[in-house]
Amino acid sequence: EIVLTQSPGTLSLSPGERATLSCRASQSVSSSSLAWYQQKPGQAPRLLIYGASSRASGIPDRFSGSGSGTDFTLTISRLEPEDFAVYYCHQYGRSPRTFGQGTKVEIK
Amino acid sequence: EVQLVESGGGLVQPGGSLRLSCSASGFTFSSYSMHWVRQAPGKGLEYVSGISSDGGGTTYADSVKGRFTISRDNSKSTLYLQMSSLRAEDTAVYYCVNSMVGAPFDYWGQGTLVTVSS
Repeated sequence: EIVLTQSPGTLSLSPGERATLSCRASQSVSSSSLAWYQQKPGQAPRLLIYGASSRASGIPDRFSGSGSGTDFTLTISRLEPEDFAVYYCHQYGRSPRTFGQGTKVEIK
Repeated sequence: EVQLVESGGGLVQPGGSLRLSCSASGFTFSSYSMHWVRQAPGKGLEYVSGISSDGGGTTYADSVKGRFTISRDNSKSTLYLQMSSLRAEDTAVYYCVNSMVGAPFDYWGQGTLVTVSS
């Protein structure tokens, strides 16, 4: 199975700052089948990005995704208070699907 | 409105069995692959199992292979997860999720908590 490794584990930033989250795959992710999810406490995950760089419906343009092959990045251009949460990358190109271990974006 | 409603969670002893159900509405159930994803308390997301739209293909994480069985009843728009030989490390919230083939997870249920403890 494809192992996804996210870094850093925790990102401590202030509102208005830029957040850069990394996701590295143990094998190439086919057809850029890489997604990013946001999860807040007590809630189910919400899809932010799919196909490595396409924003899901209703997602603000401060969220952007990039990358291909084995290296992917989620960027939040200017953190809003509601963006402090845990973010997971997820590959859906090869069975079984897998998730990264998550990056927590916390208020500094 | 798409709804995925899980049920069947609860407290079970190690070695025991439990069957989870997920009742789906608001979309054409028989056109979607369905999956179970779990999250242990305070931990990350873990893919558990998936089943193709017609039920002909299934996938399992290595951690549950041979112990869990996924199935579906398209006539009832319901997804199942039969769990046996349960271990403490199976304790988690289990989410029911749908997707098209080769697409990311679309909608998530609210989850059902399974606790494996004596």
